[in-house]
This record gives sequence, C-alpha cells and structure tokens, in this order.
Amino acid sequence: KAGVTQTPRYLIKTRGQQVTLSCSPISGHRSVSWYQQTPGQGLQFLFEYFSETQRNKGNFPGRFSGRQFSNSRSEMNVSTLELGDSALYLCASSVTVLSEQFFGPGTRLTVL
Amino acid sequence: AQSVSQHNHHVILSEAASLELGCNYSYGGTVNLFWYVQYPGQHLQLLLKYFSGDPLVKGIKGFEAEFIKSKFSFNLRKPSVQWSDTAEYFCAVTGSGNTGKLIFGQGTTLQVKP
Repeated sequence: KAGVTQTPRYLIKTRGQQVTLSCSPISGHRSVSWYQQTPGQGLQFLFEYFSETQRNKGNFPGRFSGRQFSNSRSEMNVSTLELGDSALYLCASSVTVLSEQFFGPGTRLTVL
Repeated sequence: AQSVSQHNHHVILSEAASLELGCNYSYGGTVNLFWYVQYPGQHLQLLLKYFSGDPLVKGIKGFEAEFIKSKFSFNLRKPSVQWSDTAEYFCAVTGSGNTGKLIFGQGTTLQVKP
C-alpha cells in the first residue's frame, strides 16, 4: 500500500501570501489529521477530518483552514502568511478517528 | 487540558547500552498511548501503541513500553541500543472524547555513539 503523500514537499512564500497544502491518505483511510511541527513548539494539532467533516480543531488562528473531499483527500490553507508560520506541516491518516495514525513526509513551508 | 511531558530532551548513549525514556501524561480518563520515532530525514513512524489490555506492549525494532496507570506514565525501553536508533522520539496521547487528536510530548533526541 502506498503511504500518505503530501504535496508540495517544499514551499517558499513571502509574508502576506496564502498557501494551500495537499494530503492524500492511505487507500481506505477516511480520517485525516494535520499537525504543525516547529523547533520551539514541537508537534501541535491543527485539524481532524472524517468523512468530509471537521471533527476537531486545534488552537490556531482563523487564518488556518482546511477541508476534506469525498475521496478522503485533504487540503489545508493558510492565509496572510506570517514569519511564524514557517514550519513542517504533517498530515496523518487513519482508518477511523480512533485508530492509529500514519504520517506523511510533511510539507516544509518557509515564509520570508 | 491534556498534556504530555517527556523527561529527557537529549540523551547520549553508547551502543549496547540500555535505554529508558520517560513519558508522563496529565489526563485521568481512558487514554490511548503512543510512541513515535522520527529518524533523520524521515517521517514520523509508529513504534508502539497501547489501547487496552496488557500494560507491557512490544513494538518494532525491539522497543517496548509499560503503561502504569497509577503513575500516568508510559516509559519507552530498549535493552540494547544500536547506532541506527539515533533519532527523535515522541510520546503522544489521545483521550478526552471521540477524537483521534494526538497530543505530543516535546520529544527526546537520542544520540547513539558507535
């Protein structure tokens, strides 16, 4: 089985721009979660989706949004980028909400 | 709010030494517990998990962890580390409702000297 894939792998943006990151879960997985990883804050939960519904949201500003499509693929969007948004954004998929999560390689976002 | 604390931020061991990484969580209800590993340049991989049953769980690559409910702990152990175990290790917990939201500890960087 193919693992979780994330595109793009690397992204450089400037402050004020917006960005969309994409995640394709493992085949058969219906739950997708997103996490932000930074050296200072570690791994922090962003969103959780199951069957196109956002089930849970982390403590991030409204500039961070996401969605899930009927094929379980997910996207997250960050608008009005700030320098502090520079991070590795990780997507994880699982069969159901409560089953173990498998992580993708991440998208490294650099905001200049 | 739930939290996870990992006692050691950076551990340096020689090959064949024994390893124990501490993890404590702060939630009194039913929890699911995980250890993930991130090798240099690679993505997060699941080492082992505890959902219920035997509190001593065995994972991949010779790792094991013991869930001690009374101590809110889930320490990771390996009797003899190898150079290839050099990586960052994360303890994580889910709980508090019908969600898979993972709450991670700060991570422990393990450096194994050959």
